[in-house]
Amino acid sequence: EDQVTQSPEALRLQEGESSSLNCSYTVSGLRGLFWYRQDPGKGPEFLFTLYSAGEEKEKERLKATLTKKESFLHITAPKPEDSATYLCAVPHYNQGGKLIFGQGTELSVKP
Amino acid sequence: KAGVTQTPRYLIKTRGQQVTLSCSPISGHRSVSWYQQTPGQGLQFLFEYFSETQRNKGNFPGRFSGRQFSNSRSEMNVSTLELGDSALYLCASSLAGQGGTGELFFGEGSRLTVL
Repeated sequence: EDQVTQSPEALRLQEGESSSLNCSYTVSGLRGLFWYRQDPGKGPEFLFTLYSAGEEKEKERLKATLTKKESFLHITAPKPEDSATYLCAVPHYNQGGKLIFGQGTELSVKP
Repeated sequence: KAGVTQTPRYLIKTRGQQVTLSCSPISGHRSVSWYQQTPGQGLQFLFEYFSETQRNKGNFPGRFSGRQFSNSRSEMNVSTLELGDSALYLCASSLAGQGGTGELFFGEGSRLTVL
Protein backbone atom coordinates (compact mmCIF):
# COMPACT_ATOMS: atom_id res chain seq x y z
CA GLU A 1 0.00 0.00 0.00
CA ASP A 2 1.30 3.43 -0.93
CA GLN A 3 2.31 5.41 2.12
CA VAL A 4 3.82 8.80 2.91
CA THR A 5 5.29 9.67 6.33
CA GLN A 6 6.54 13.09 7.34
CA SER A 7 8.75 14.04 10.24
CA PRO A 8 8.88 15.81 12.53
CA GLU A 9 5.22 16.56 13.14
CA ALA A 10 6.13 20.01 14.41
CA LEU A 11 9.29 22.06 14.27
CA ARG A 12 10.09 25.30 16.04
CA LEU A 13 12.98 27.37 14.75
CA GLN A 14 14.48 30.71 15.52
CA GLU A 15 14.71 33.12 12.63
CA GLY A 16 17.87 32.29 10.69
CA GLU A 17 18.16 28.75 12.10
CA SER A 18 18.35 26.37 9.12
CA SER A 19 16.81 22.90 9.27
CA SER A 20 15.28 20.11 7.18
CA LEU A 21 11.92 18.41 6.96
CA ASN A 22 11.68 14.76 5.98
CA CYS A 23 9.20 12.91 3.78
CA SER A 24 9.62 9.17 3.40
CA TYR A 25 7.50 7.23 0.97
CA THR A 26 6.57 3.71 -0.01
CA VAL A 27 5.05 3.49 -3.47
CA SER A 28 4.86 0.99 -6.30
CA GLY A 29 6.74 2.99 -8.88
CA LEU A 30 7.28 6.64 -8.05
CA ARG A 31 5.71 9.00 -10.54
CA GLY A 32 6.67 12.19 -8.83
CA LEU A 33 6.82 13.63 -5.34
CA PHE A 34 5.18 16.94 -4.62
CA TRP A 35 5.65 19.52 -1.89
CA TYR A 36 2.93 21.91 -0.81
CA ARG A 37 2.71 24.66 1.76
CA GLN A 38 -0.49 25.28 3.73
CA ASP A 39 -1.19 28.38 5.77
CA PRO A 40 -3.86 28.29 8.50
CA GLY A 41 -7.36 28.57 7.08
CA LYS A 42 -6.19 28.20 3.50
CA GLY A 43 -5.79 25.47 0.94
CA PRO A 44 -2.37 23.98 0.14
CA GLU A 45 -0.14 25.90 -2.27
CA PHE A 46 2.06 24.02 -4.70
CA LEU A 47 5.82 24.38 -4.20
CA PHE A 48 7.79 21.70 -6.09
CA THR A 49 7.65 18.53 -8.12
CA LEU A 50 10.55 16.05 -8.03
CA TYR A 51 10.65 13.07 -10.36
CA SER A 52 13.90 11.18 -9.93
CA ALA A 53 16.51 10.44 -7.29
CA GLY A 54 19.15 13.13 -7.17
CA GLU A 55 16.84 15.84 -8.44
CA GLU A 56 16.80 19.16 -6.59
CA LYS A 57 14.50 22.18 -6.84
CA GLU A 58 14.91 25.56 -5.18
CA LYS A 59 12.65 28.46 -4.40
CA GLU A 60 13.85 31.35 -2.27
CA ARG A 61 14.92 29.81 1.07
CA LEU A 62 13.54 26.37 0.26
CA LYS A 63 15.32 23.51 -1.45
CA ALA A 64 13.73 20.13 -2.07
CA THR A 65 15.77 17.00 -2.73
CA LEU A 66 14.81 13.44 -3.58
CA THR A 67 16.36 10.03 -2.95
CA LYS A 68 14.94 6.60 -3.74
CA LYS A 69 13.18 6.41 -0.39
CA GLU A 70 12.71 9.94 0.87
CA SER A 71 12.63 13.62 0.16
CA PHE A 72 13.95 16.50 2.19
CA LEU A 73 12.80 20.08 2.31
CA HIS A 74 15.72 22.18 3.44
CA ILE A 75 14.96 25.61 4.84
CA THR A 76 17.91 27.99 4.89
CA ALA A 77 17.88 31.00 7.20
CA PRO A 78 14.09 30.88 7.67
CA LYS A 79 11.97 33.93 8.34
CA PRO A 80 8.73 34.16 10.32
CA GLU A 81 6.78 34.26 7.07
CA ASP A 82 7.98 30.72 6.34
CA SER A 83 5.79 29.50 9.20
CA ALA A 84 3.23 27.09 7.75
CA THR A 85 2.46 23.41 7.45
CA TYR A 86 4.49 21.70 4.76
CA LEU A 87 2.93 18.71 3.04
CA CYS A 88 4.42 16.17 0.71
CA ALA A 89 2.41 13.92 -1.58
CA VAL A 90 2.81 11.17 -4.16
CA PRO A 91 0.38 9.98 -6.82
CA HIS A 92 -1.31 6.64 -6.28
CA TYR A 93 0.45 3.89 -8.22
CA ASN A 94 -2.44 3.25 -10.62
CA GLN A 95 -4.76 6.18 -9.97
CA GLY A 96 -2.60 9.06 -11.07
CA GLY A 97 -5.26 11.62 -10.30
CA LYS A 98 -5.24 10.63 -6.64
CA LEU A 99 -2.57 12.20 -4.44
CA ILE A 100 -1.54 10.52 -1.19
CA PHE A 101 -0.51 13.16 1.32
CA GLY A 102 1.66 12.90 4.39
CA GLN A 103 0.38 14.28 7.68
CA GLY A 104 2.51 17.38 7.28
CA THR A 105 5.14 19.19 9.33
CA GLU A 106 3.98 22.29 11.14
CA LEU A 107 6.83 24.79 11.02
CA SER A 108 6.97 27.77 13.34
CA VAL A 109 9.71 30.36 12.93
CA LYS A 110 10.11 32.85 15.76
CA PRO A 111 11.76 36.25 15.31
CA LYS B 1 -6.57 35.27 -12.91
CA ALA B 2 -9.22 34.20 -10.42
CA GLY B 3 -8.36 31.25 -8.21
CA VAL B 4 -10.44 28.27 -7.19
CA THR B 5 -13.64 29.38 -5.50
CA GLN B 6 -15.45 27.23 -2.99
CA THR B 7 -18.84 27.93 -1.45
CA PRO B 8 -19.98 28.03 1.21
CA ARG B 9 -16.87 28.68 3.29
CA TYR B 10 -18.46 27.61 6.54
CA LEU B 11 -21.55 25.61 7.36
CA ILE B 12 -23.11 23.83 10.30
CA LYS B 13 -25.39 20.84 9.88
CA THR B 14 -26.93 18.26 12.15
CA ARG B 15 -26.59 14.51 11.94
CA GLY B 16 -28.75 12.93 9.27
CA GLN B 17 -28.90 16.01 7.08
CA GLN B 18 -27.26 16.31 3.72
CA VAL B 19 -24.97 18.98 2.33
CA THR B 20 -23.87 20.18 -1.09
CA LEU B 21 -20.58 21.98 -1.61
CA SER B 22 -19.65 23.87 -4.72
CA CYS B 23 -16.36 24.47 -6.49
CA SER B 24 -15.54 26.77 -9.38
CA PRO B 25 -12.14 25.90 -10.88
CA ILE B 26 -9.67 28.24 -12.47
CA SER B 27 -10.81 29.22 -15.94
CA GLY B 28 -9.55 26.68 -18.48
CA HIS B 29 -8.94 23.95 -15.93
CA ARG B 30 -10.85 20.79 -16.76
CA SER B 31 -9.88 18.61 -13.81
CA VAL B 32 -11.42 19.04 -10.37
CA SER B 33 -10.43 16.95 -7.36
CA TRP B 34 -11.95 16.89 -3.89
CA TYR B 35 -10.12 16.18 -0.63
CA GLN B 36 -11.23 15.88 2.96
CA GLN B 37 -8.89 17.28 5.60
CA THR B 38 -9.15 16.41 9.29
CA PRO B 39 -6.63 16.74 12.13
CA GLY B 40 -6.51 12.98 12.61
CA GLN B 41 -6.44 11.71 9.03
CA GLY B 42 -4.88 14.63 7.21
CA LEU B 43 -5.72 15.14 3.56
CA GLN B 44 -7.63 12.26 2.00
CA PHE B 45 -8.66 11.98 -1.63
CA LEU B 46 -12.37 11.82 -2.33
CA PHE B 47 -12.68 11.88 -6.12
CA GLU B 48 -11.49 13.50 -9.32
CA TYR B 49 -13.56 14.65 -12.25
CA PHE B 50 -12.38 15.43 -15.74
CA SER B 51 -14.68 16.59 -18.52
CA GLU B 52 -17.78 15.66 -16.50
CA THR B 53 -16.55 12.10 -15.86
CA GLN B 54 -15.38 10.69 -12.55
CA ARG B 55 -11.87 9.55 -13.30
CA ASN B 56 -10.67 8.43 -9.86
CA LYS B 57 -12.34 7.67 -6.58
CA GLY B 58 -11.07 7.41 -3.02
CA ASN B 59 -12.09 5.06 -0.24
CA PHE B 60 -15.14 6.84 1.06
CA PRO B 61 -18.64 5.44 1.53
CA GLY B 62 -21.33 5.95 -1.06
CA ARG B 63 -22.77 8.80 1.02
CA PHE B 64 -20.11 10.93 -0.61
CA SER B 65 -20.83 11.76 -4.22
CA GLY B 66 -19.92 14.39 -6.72
CA ARG B 67 -20.45 15.62 -10.20
CA GLN B 68 -18.97 18.00 -12.71
CA PHE B 69 -20.82 20.24 -15.09
CA SER B 70 -19.99 21.14 -18.67
CA ASN B 71 -18.40 24.41 -17.52
CA SER B 72 -16.06 22.38 -15.25
CA ARG B 73 -17.75 23.59 -12.07
CA SER B 74 -18.15 20.78 -9.59
CA GLU B 75 -20.30 19.90 -6.64
CA MET B 76 -19.95 17.30 -3.97
CA ASN B 77 -22.74 15.98 -1.83
CA VAL B 78 -22.69 14.20 1.49
CA SER B 79 -25.91 12.54 2.55
CA THR B 80 -26.96 11.30 5.98
CA LEU B 81 -24.29 13.32 7.72
CA GLU B 82 -22.36 11.78 10.61
CA LEU B 83 -20.34 13.54 13.31
CA GLY B 84 -17.16 12.18 11.72
CA ASP B 85 -17.89 14.07 8.51
CA SER B 86 -16.88 17.30 10.22
CA ALA B 87 -13.87 18.44 8.22
CA LEU B 88 -12.41 20.94 5.82
CA TYR B 89 -13.39 19.96 2.28
CA LEU B 90 -10.92 21.15 -0.28
CA CYS B 91 -11.38 21.42 -4.00
CA ALA B 92 -8.41 21.54 -6.36
CA SER B 93 -8.27 22.20 -10.07
CA SER B 94 -5.65 21.61 -12.72
CA LEU B 95 -5.41 21.76 -16.48
CA ALA B 96 -5.49 18.02 -17.11
CA GLY B 97 -5.34 16.30 -13.76
CA GLN B 98 -2.43 15.73 -11.42
CA GLY B 99 -0.79 13.19 -13.71
CA GLY B 100 1.72 15.69 -15.01
CA THR B 101 3.40 18.20 -12.76
CA GLY B 102 1.49 17.59 -9.54
CA GLU B 103 0.50 21.22 -9.56
CA LEU B 104 -2.96 21.33 -8.14
CA PHE B 105 -4.53 24.69 -7.34
CA PHE B 106 -6.55 24.46 -4.16
CA GLY B 107 -9.42 26.59 -2.99
CA GLU B 108 -9.68 27.79 0.59
CA GLY B 109 -12.08 25.03 1.48
CA SER B 110 -15.53 24.59 2.94
CA ARG B 111 -15.46 23.94 6.66
CA LEU B 112 -18.29 21.62 7.62
CA THR B 113 -19.32 21.11 11.22
CA VAL B 114 -21.80 18.35 11.99
CA LEU B 115 -23.59 18.58 15.34
